[in-house]
Amino acid sequence: DGGITQSPKYLFRKEGQNVTLSCEQNLNHDAMYWYRQDPGQGLRLIYYSQIVNDFQKGDIAEGYSVSREKKESFPLTVTSAQKNPTAFYLCASSIWGENQPQHFGDGTRLSIL
Amino acid sequence: GIQVEQSPPDLILQEGANSTLRCNFSDSVNNLQWFHQNPWGQLINLFYIPSGTKQNGRLSATTVATERYSLLYISSSQTTDSGVYFCAAHSSGSARQLTFGSGTQLTVLP
Repeated sequence: DGGITQSPKYLFRKEGQNVTLSCEQNLNHDAMYWYRQDPGQGLRLIYYSQIVNDFQKGDIAEGYSVSREKKESFPLTVTSAQKNPTAFYLCASSIWGENQPQHFGDGTRLSIL
Repeated sequence: GIQVEQSPPDLILQEGANSTLRCNFSDSVNNLQWFHQNPWGQLINLFYIPSGTKQNGRLSATTVATERYSLLYISSSQTTDSGVYFCAAHSSGSARQLTFGSGTQLTVLP
């Protein structure tokens, strides 16, 4: 079945560690996105990529990094520079263009030990 | 960037009741999506609705782009409708990013 797979579902990080969240899609979508959700709030855009080897910062990119080496994959690294990384992270993909809906994975919950 | 506001922030209903959720946006948008986030965090697409009205079973949505609002109607609510409902607008700029509202927390009581 076509869809977006995020892994792991739960992730724990020690202070000072970098961690990488995986996002894979088999929808043949050009564009991929990473969002962060804090309790009781909506989603905020971290990074997005409209094509392989290209990505742009969203509203809250500080302390995060991404890569887009393959069309299907858009991993997010939460670096030690991110001072408050505990959150729910959602990956999405879409056809790149005007008025294209975004489709979401099931998310990864990141917690600090 | 655009601002997206949802109301009410919280809604408690008895099973079988109807409800209307509202989404206002501050500027012209190319499109609007409604999502349901279930208790496990999954974000489920409900509607993709730039204008007009769409219906899917007990749910329907209407967007009036010229007046910058969208409404989500839930009829004959069920306990499985509980969760958070988000609207999100596509900006008309080049980023094509979604800007989310803060959501409506719906609780349907048996």
